[in-house]
Amino acid sequence: EAQVTQNPRYLITVTGKKLTVTCSQNMNHEYMSWYRQDPGLGLRQIYYSMNVEVTDKGDVPEGYKVSRKEKRNFPLILESPSPNQTSLYFCASSWLGSAAEAFFGQGTRLTVV
Amino acid sequence: AQSVSQHNHHVILSEAASLELGCNYSYGGTVNLFWYVQYPGQHLQLLLKYFSGDPLVKGIKGFEAEFIKSKFSFNLRKPSVQWSDTAEYFCAVNPSGSARQLTFGSGTQLTVLP
Repeated sequence: EAQVTQNPRYLITVTGKKLTVTCSQNMNHEYMSWYRQDPGLGLRQIYYSMNVEVTDKGDVPEGYKVSRKEKRNFPLILESPSPNQTSLYFCASSWLGSAAEAFFGQGTRLTVV
Repeated sequence: AQSVSQHNHHVILSEAASLELGCNYSYGGTVNLFWYVQYPGQHLQLLLKYFSGDPLVKGIKGFEAEFIKSKFSFNLRKPSVQWSDTAEYFCAVNPSGSARQLTFGSGTQLTVLP
């Protein structure tokens, strides 16, 4: 089954404690991205990657890091989480091309206290 | 940079009512347009998309949307909603040829009363 898998689904952590949210896709898509969803703001792109070792900033990259060492994986790293990073995070993948459909993971609800 | 406006933040309808959700974008060039739906507790799924050709696009579950270039709009419609259509709906735009993909609107929460 074609899917994007994120882990964990729920995470509560403390300020400053490094964490990683994993994302994996099995569709061989070149393009992967991370979004955060906040009430009233919709989804905002954090980082995206057009292929292995190619990553770039989205609209809200501050406080986040990503890596793309393998085509299928695109982890999101919060080196020193802060309460304003409490949000719902979605990973997405697609073929390259501006008309391509994006496939989303189930989401990770992160709370930073 | 492009932006997307969804003016209705929360819409409440009774079953069988007709639905129209507004979406306007700002971008001067050629765009690809999308509507995604997020059912409670689930991930986003594509409802329909427009990238060229007939401006009236039909999607899954009886939804359709019309691209009106002169109005920079891509409104979502359904003639008769069901309780199972309760969800949040997101309009998104991606300029043709863009590497970034998908700028989303703020979303419209649709509640359908049985």
